[in-house]
Amino acid sequence: NAGVTQTPKFQVLKTGQSMTLQCAQDMNHEYMSWYRQDPGMGLRLIHYSVGAGITDQGEVPNGYNVSRSTTEDFPLRLLSAAPSQTSVYFCASSTRDTPQYFGPGTRLTVT
Amino acid sequence: EDQVTQSPEALRLQEGESSSLNCSYTVSGLRGLFWYRQDPGKGPEFLFTLYSAGEEKEKERLKATLTKKESFLHITAPKPEDSATYLCAVYAYRGGSEKLVFGKGTKLTVNP
Repeated sequence: NAGVTQTPKFQVLKTGQSMTLQCAQDMNHEYMSWYRQDPGMGLRLIHYSVGAGITDQGEVPNGYNVSRSTTEDFPLRLLSAAPSQTSVYFCASSTRDTPQYFGPGTRLTVT
Repeated sequence: EDQVTQSPEALRLQEGESSSLNCSYTVSGLRGLFWYRQDPGKGPEFLFTLYSAGEEKEKERLKATLTKKESFLHITAPKPEDSATYLCAVYAYRGGSEKLVFGKGTKLTVNP
């Protein structure tokens, strides 16, 4: 099993550009989540999904969209990037009875 | 609001010098407390889940314990390779549904 994979590893955007962060898991987990991690702030939940076709907002959802058309994939879309979205983004997956397993992260810089 | 607080923020130890990290929490009805290890530039790596007060889990030099209000991660005779940031998390109700809430972590440095 590859576990949770994320692409790209690094990305630089200009303010106003859009992009999609990719996340995939091969463990057949129904739960998937996106977090951002900023210095001094810890991990904060952006959006999450409890199954294909079902998504919900986390603590910091503004400026981000998600969809879940398959069990395996959970992309995160930045509609119009802002410098405040400079962060490290982590995707995680789990079942109801397992801990969350994290991907390696995407480091995003918005200039 | 449900909270997770970790202390200290940073801890420096000499190799072989045992110590403990603290995670205090205030949640209604604990459904699991999780410890993770995070190395620089990597995603959090799962270590332990604790479900009820009095429970203990061990892995190599690490032992996690749980009371009704806090959890400790005890590190016995640490080595430099134990240097990392250690995160704890609990399920808590936020915005009307249950979500995993993380503390800000303790950065552990073990000097040879």
